Amino acid sequence: SAALTQPPSVSVSPGQPARITCSADELASQYAYWYQQKPGQAPVVIIYKDTERPAGIPERFSGSRSGTTVTMTINAVQAEDEADYYCQSADSSGTYVIFGGGTKLTVL
Amino acid sequence: QLQLQESGPGLVRPSETLSLNCNVSGGAIRKSSDYWSWIRQAPGKGLEWIGSIYSSGTTYYNPSLKGRLTISIEASKNQFSLKLLSVTAADSAIYYCAKRGGIVVVPGALGRAIDVWGHGTMVIVSS
Repeated sequence: SAALTQPPSVSVSPGQPARITCSADELASQYAYWYQQKPGQAPVVIIYKDTERPAGIPERFSGSRSGTTVTMTINAVQAEDEADYYCQSADSSGTYVIFGGGTKLTVL
Repeated sequence: QLQLQESGPGLVRPSETLSLNCNVSGGAIRKSSDYWSWIRQAPGKGLEWIGSIYSSGTTYYNPSLKGRLTISIEASKNQFSLKLLSVTAADSAIYYCAKRGGIVVVPGALGRAIDVWGHGTMVIVSS
């Protein structure tokens, strides 16, 4: 079945930027969404419709797109940002949900 | 504020049926234009969309589970449910119920994001 491609892991030092990419052909016609999941917790949406940030999400989180690749960037990473990050989109109909495999962000 | 809560047995025997309910509070499930969804996460693994149901009752299932899966709404109880037949150890996971935004543009909504999640319930398939 279709899936979004993410790097399994990203490591970054505190205060440095972290970038996590997500790519798939389905992104040509569908928005991407990003979720943060900390251990033992349910995921939380941090970016919606490629670039929008929900209320309450820190400004250091941002999203961008280039063709069929979307990127979630954390400017000036903090220790509390260590988590798993998932991108999500849908098939061309918008109905069937697709997740990326997840990226473990480690703050060194 | 909308809240979701999963309930159901934590242990299911192989070849039997996994049944979970999701209680919705803070909003009427039938009046919603959203998609009520189930998502699971095997231990140490990523998120897997199981399926969704619209308030009208129309269902959408992950093709990998179709044939074993039923998602339904019980409007009188303001809850939706999942039934997964003939489970194996591979079905052991944390099961989340969640709300995904619908097509109708709602002011303040997050598009089609999965914006409300239950806490999740662990289901182990074992004899």
